[in-house]
Amino acid sequence: GAVVSQHPSWVICKSGTSVKIECRSLDFQATTMFWYRQFPKQSLMLMATSNEGSKATYEQGVEKDKFLINHASLTLSTLTVTSAHPEDSSFYICSQGGRGTQYFGPGTRLLVL
Amino acid sequence: GNSVTQMEGPVTLSEEAFLTINCTYTATGYPSLFWYVQYPGEGLQLLLKATKADDKGSNKGFEATYRKETTSFHLEKGSVQVSDSAVYFCALSYNPGTASKLTFGTGTRLQVTL
Repeated sequence: GAVVSQHPSWVICKSGTSVKIECRSLDFQATTMFWYRQFPKQSLMLMATSNEGSKATYEQGVEKDKFLINHASLTLSTLTVTSAHPEDSSFYICSQGGRGTQYFGPGTRLLVL
Repeated sequence: GNSVTQMEGPVTLSEEAFLTINCTYTATGYPSLFWYVQYPGEGLQLLLKATKADDKGSNKGFEATYRKETTSFHLEKGSVQVSDSAVYFCALSYNPGTASKLTFGTGTRLQVTL
């Protein structure tokens, strides 16, 4: 299947800083990418749907000004957590749509101190 | 709203044992159902899917049957291997295509020992 990478795999930052997470499709071009968030022992929760060349569609309850999504090309989508706070600590996972399914990245663990 | 409920893990089995991971869902209409697997250090991968009632999805010895009457999609394997150790997620969507939103269960960790 398609390969999706995420960078960084984990990050620790101070409260108030911004963190950018990259999601790259290594062998497949995707017009649609998804960003999920997962808390310990909980489901993956869809945060937003990212469409290449247009604005992302955010799920209810997700602050678009806090979680900035940019889908600048068919192989790269970025999620920026702005002014991060400890409650933003979580596991962030991206996926891309293709070939009748979704292909997931390995995830990025964020810890905000 | 839509939701997926999975049995809590971890599930620990000896190699060659029979595996069942329960999954039930709450949804209106006729969703498609999926099982994804996440091996250590890797992203989620589609294991199998079923798009309508009574369909059976199968892959790598795993099977699951879409039971609308019991709103279930239990994952089974007759003989597990150590290499099956992973986290398994049940999920649903209303469009089996690539741009569909997925609703996930909490995941069930399976550990298989020799």
